[in-house]
Amino acid sequence: ELKVEQNPLFLSMQEGKNYTIYCNYSTTSDRLYWYRQDPGKSLESLFVLLSNGAVKQEGRLMASLDTKARLSTLHITAAVHDLSATYFCAVDGTSGSRLTFGEGTQLTVNP
Amino acid sequence: DGGITQSPKYLFRKEGQNVTLSCEQNLNHDAMYWYRQDPGQGLRLIYYSQIVNDFQKGDIAEGYSVSREKKESFPLTVTSAQKNPTAFYLCASSIGWGQGNNEQFFGPGTRLTVL
Repeated sequence: ELKVEQNPLFLSMQEGKNYTIYCNYSTTSDRLYWYRQDPGKSLESLFVLLSNGAVKQEGRLMASLDTKARLSTLHITAAVHDLSATYFCAVDGTSGSRLTFGEGTQLTVNP
Repeated sequence: DGGITQSPKYLFRKEGQNVTLSCEQNLNHDAMYWYRQDPGQGLRLIYYSQIVNDFQKGDIAEGYSVSREKKESFPLTVTSAQKNPTAFYLCASSIGWGQGNNEQFFGPGTRLTVL
């Protein structure tokens, strides 16, 4: 059974600081997705990582995938308040098209 | 505009009542999914369908039923057998299995409350 673990689950940081969210998974996969969820809203797709070594960047967020380590990171550079949200990673497993989601990381960026 | 729509946005159910949540997509996606999200929690998969007229149970299917008669539509019925249905329900779709990219696109959600 594929397991996906994110850490930390809660992250409070100051504006201007850098931090990394980690997503570990238990079985072989070379496809991983990052989503953002604002309070009371649905999920919005952030990054699609489809191969080992894939790196994607959008604004202050950068995601990478290391399939050998079964690890993806979401790096936040010079955080701003607008980045406050819950971030989920999801891994493509072996059961057809379904994804397995991590528990989510609730990020709060304080002024 | 292509996308996924869910209705209603808010739904109130009396105990013992069945209710149906609508999910429609015009993305020409083969696969569709239903998730449940409780406050402060992650997503749990209820049912998914990889092709018309076929669907599979997810991790928490008890007390729910679905149909997939049309490619565009994947309604979810919350039956009276579901003892604690109050939650946020999210529908998603993806291109389909074997396409190399299973990125899922989400609808806006339906918030169900039991009175």
